[in-house]
Amino acid sequence: DAKTTQPTSMDCAEGRAANLPCNHSTISGNEYVYWYRQIHSQGPQYIIHGLKNNETNEMASLIITEDRKSSTLILPHATLRDTAVYYCIEGGSQGNLIFGKGTKLSVKP
Amino acid sequence: GAGVSQSPRYKVAKRGQDVALRCDPISGHVSLFWYQQALGQGPEFLTYFQNEAQLDKSGLPSDRFFAERPEGSVSTLKIQRTQQEDSAVYLCASTPRAGTPYEQYFGPGTRLTVT
Repeated sequence: DAKTTQPTSMDCAEGRAANLPCNHSTISGNEYVYWYRQIHSQGPQYIIHGLKNNETNEMASLIITEDRKSSTLILPHATLRDTAVYYCIEGGSQGNLIFGKGTKLSVKP
Repeated sequence: GAGVSQSPRYKVAKRGQDVALRCDPISGHVSLFWYQQALGQGPEFLTYFQNEAQLDKSGLPSDRFFAERPEGSVSTLKIQRTQQEDSAVYLCASTPRAGTPYEQYFGPGTRLTVT
């Protein structure tokens, strides 16, 4: 079973930052936080991952709290094409992904 | 470049029929994963290959499910004697590294409907 908890759904206005929270209170010291998203009728797409430090790439930023019990994925300027289900996953450096139900993000004009 | 492709995209099978679902990973990718996604749920792991070796098949729901990757590239997921509960989207993912959870590249999936 998935070990993370996320809100079921969120709305965001187009052009604004989308901040998606995730709780992973049982994460162990060598486990990472991975984020994927799934646009309707497509396969999941990798976004970003991190261990302890904040991470940024061309898609998003990942902010991990100091105690590592929660994190936030930030899409700095959400567009309509960012409407998707966003999955936060904790796991080791090897192995398969264990998906939960994710957060359905709706970006509205 | 080409991504992961899966075929067929849609498959309707009568209960009791056998089906074969194909995955073409990105060329050169070492690892290949199969996942099953029921309606409204997140994907669930089925099995994992590193090259031609099936290293983990713990997620296969029954012995009716069988997967192979004989030459370390294309993979086939076979379901024998399909049942209605097998109706789902079957996703394939590949990654250039050995079994990493990050940068898994997913195909579009095969939607299987068992009637």
